[in-house]
Amino acid sequence: GAGVSQSPRYKVAKRGQDVALRCDPISGHVSLFWYQQALGQGPEFLTYFQNEAQLDKSGLPSDRFFAERPEGSVSTLKIQRTQQEDSAVYLCASSARGPGPRHRYTQYFGPGTRLTVL
Amino acid sequence: DQQVKQNSPSLSVQEGRISILNCDYTNSMFDYFLWYKKYPAEGPTFLISISSIKDKNEDGRFTVFLNKSAKHLSLHIVPSQPGDSAVYFCAAKGLTGGGNKLTFGTGTQLKVEL
Repeated sequence: GAGVSQSPRYKVAKRGQDVALRCDPISGHVSLFWYQQALGQGPEFLTYFQNEAQLDKSGLPSDRFFAERPEGSVSTLKIQRTQQEDSAVYLCASSARGPGPRHRYTQYFGPGTRLTVL
Repeated sequence: DQQVKQNSPSLSVQEGRISILNCDYTNSMFDYFLWYKKYPAEGPTFLISISSIKDKNEDGRFTVFLNKSAKHLSLHIVPSQPGDSAVYFCAAKGLTGGGNKLTFGTGTQLKVEL
């Protein structure tokens, strides 16, 4: 079946612009995660949804970052007033409810959106 | 602080030989560990995982070993193939908080040479 898709794949923004990044998770996956990956680093957790509920946003670096998943499927990560330090690859991942730990804990990643802020 | 560490940024192995990628962690609350492979311009792809109640899990050419007392895990690839050349990330899931959020290491670039 279809995997996780993200759009756009590449985004160039001028400093101060707002951007919106979209994630379409695997159909039926309850959990959705956003990660930020800086160059040469591993992905870092930003926020987590279970269905439409945002249960953890502890990784969002500032109040300029906002995520939503209003109907429990598609999610949007919005960054307001972008800064150069926001340049990174933004990864979305989804996981199923179960059964078994492998199904619950394995996250399937999209290709990412590479954001460059000039 | 880096809770999951991959101290080797790169590894080069000959085709057919064993590749061993290492990962250390500091948080004793991690209870599930995963390895992901990543090609350029693609998202990480799940490879293999292991629960903290086990010490070994095998899937084809891939085996993951967990040493809880040393807080160390390793991924063995036998035999290594040129298509295995990629960046490998170790990831860990905690018992509490953040649902099932993963904490990643910084990755090891594996190059399998002919």
